[in-house]
Amino acid sequence: DQQVKQNSPSLSVQEGRISILNCDYTNSMFDYFLWYKKYPAEGPTFLISISSIKDKNEDGRFTVFLNKSAKHLSLHIVPSQPGDSAVYFCAARFSGSARQLTFGSGTQLTVLP
Amino acid sequence: DGGITQSPKYLFRKEGQNVTLSCEQNLNHDAMYWYRQDPGQGLRLIYYSQIVNDFQKGDIAEGYSVSREKKESFPLTVTSAQKNPTAFYLCASSISGVLETQYFGPGTRLLVL
Repeated sequence: DQQVKQNSPSLSVQEGRISILNCDYTNSMFDYFLWYKKYPAEGPTFLISISSIKDKNEDGRFTVFLNKSAKHLSLHIVPSQPGDSAVYFCAARFSGSARQLTFGSGTQLTVLP
Repeated sequence: DGGITQSPKYLFRKEGQNVTLSCEQNLNHDAMYWYRQDPGQGLRLIYYSQIVNDFQKGDIAEGYSVSREKKESFPLTVTSAQKNPTAFYLCASSISGVLETQYFGPGTRLLVL
């Protein structure tokens, strides 16, 4: 049973436009959410996170939105750059989970020049 | 220059052989983790350790073993009992805290001969 789902395996966006990556979760106990970026044959790199007490967190070109009622979060990248092309994973955890993260299956973002 | 190192980058295992993947961190992080990534899938937790001399099974611990004798080191042994070991293995670490973030090493690709 997938508790964290990324339903779009791939997304293509033109350079300079907005990229929106989506993630849904089923476990209402999750209280902390993270986005990671991963290039092939490398480890994931932490991008941005959000606590369940917030609905938005911004860091430069990256903004994460959390809709708790819909159990949905999204990552916005504006403007998109070719170097953003990578697989993006969302992850979630809850306080009682001994810090375990549950990952989605990832979305391959391709930013076209 | 702090970080997480994993070695080797590529590892080949013969049938019936145990192999050990190394993970070292100099970030002074308390917790360390091992994940497995298969193509088109998210990261799945194998084992984790919150403090020295203590570790817990994750979602897919069968066929794997770990030790945590030092804070800096968390080696993973893939035993002959693991029937499908070919995957990308990722080590991560985190510092204790309510909203902590896991940071990943570069990964080890394990292939079966």
